[in-house]
Amino acid sequence: AQKITQTQPGMFVQEKEAVTLDCTYDTSDPSYGLFWYKQPSSGEMIFLIYQGSYDQQNATEGRYSLNFQKARKSANLVISASQLGDSAMYFCAMRVNNNDMRFGAGTRLTVKP
Amino acid sequence: DAGVTQSPTHLIKTRGQQVTLRCSPKSGHDTVSWYQQALGQGPQFIFQYYEEEERQRGNFPDRFSGHQFPNYSSELNVNALLLGDSALYLCASSRGPTSTDTQYFGPGTRLTVL
Repeated sequence: AQKITQTQPGMFVQEKEAVTLDCTYDTSDPSYGLFWYKQPSSGEMIFLIYQGSYDQQNATEGRYSLNFQKARKSANLVISASQLGDSAMYFCAMRVNNNDMRFGAGTRLTVKP
Repeated sequence: DAGVTQSPTHLIKTRGQQVTLRCSPKSGHDTVSWYQQALGQGPQFIFQYYEEEERQRGNFPDRFSGHQFPNYSSELNVNALLLGDSALYLCASSRGPTSTDTQYFGPGTRLTVL
């Protein structure tokens, strides 16, 4: 079975600090893609970063980086230098072998001024 | 370059009615996926359209149906609406249907069933 788990319902971070949002996944298929999305209160899902199962290096996109630990089946999102506009829901998602995308339950991040 | 667009933004229906939601994919994208997001939960996959055919389907009843047009736009139809169908319906498009193709989402249609 394919499963995505986000164990942090809510996280707080001080502005300008770094924060790590946890994500673990479960699949027996060697080919999969991992995604992180941000969902502000407006509802739109904004793509942040992608990591393929065969990628050797951790993905980075600006202030976002993905800490990919394949053996531990974790794909944590690291946001550096947090900004007030980073306050939102964050979803981890996985697609296995061209099948449908599965989402975690999400983590609500609040950035404090 | 226009992103994914969805219409309408909000919709209110009563139980038993039928609804059609529309999605236009991002320029250059040929694959459309639909998701249902209930309040406080992550999105749940409904189905995916590629080359005008339904390629994959999640665990949703036949009341949920769809269509993809030659210009790659798509519709989601829900018949015999139930109160539990109230949710945010998200459309996502990608360059192709594979695992490595990033899906880009539209702003969603918020459906309320009374």
